[in-house]
Amino acid sequence: EAQVTQNPRYLITVTGKKLTVTCSQNMNHEYMSWYRQDPGLGLRQIYYSMNVEVTDKGDVPEGYKVSRKEKRNFPLILESPSPNQTSLYFCASSRGVGQGIIEQYFGPGTRLTVT
Amino acid sequence: GNSVTQMEGPVTLSEEAFLTINCTYTATGYPSLFWYVQYPGEGLQLLLKATKADDKGSNKGFEATYRKETTSFHLEKGSVQVSDSAVYFCALSPPNTDKLIFGTGTRLQVFP
Repeated sequence: EAQVTQNPRYLITVTGKKLTVTCSQNMNHEYMSWYRQDPGLGLRQIYYSMNVEVTDKGDVPEGYKVSRKEKRNFPLILESPSPNQTSLYFCASSRGVGQGIIEQYFGPGTRLTVT
Repeated sequence: GNSVTQMEGPVTLSEEAFLTINCTYTATGYPSLFWYVQYPGEGLQLLLKATKADDKGSNKGFEATYRKETTSFHLEKGSVQVSDSAVYFCALSPPNTDKLIFGTGTRLQVFP
């Protein structure tokens, strides 16, 4: 089954404790992206990756890091989480520019609470 | 710049009522337009899409027409069901990118 998986689904942590949210896709997609969803703000892009070893900032990258060492994985790293990073996070992937009509596939979400 | 504006919710309807959720956009060039749906506790799923002016996207009884003259992509359904209760997001993708720019979402609640 084609899917994007994220782990963990729920996470409660404390300010300053480094954490990683994993994301994996099994569709051989080139493009991957992280979003955060906040009430009244919709989804905002944090980082994206056009291919292995190619990453770039989205609209709200402050406080986050990513890496793309393998095509299927795109982890989101919070080196020193703060309460304003409490949010619902989504990973998404798509085939990539020039390969037809874009459809992004979304993971189930990770609800992060930073106290 | 590129942006999407959609009507605030919640939209509350009785089953079998007609649904319209308004969406307008600002964009350079000719973006692709999308509606995504988020059911409770789940990620977003593509509902329908349109890639050029006057295209009509349709799926599961939902429709939206790409109107360049009014920069709109309103979502409609003739007869909603309780199972349509969800949050609906309008989005655009600028040409030659994989970037998606979302509206703030509209919650739809359908009661029996």
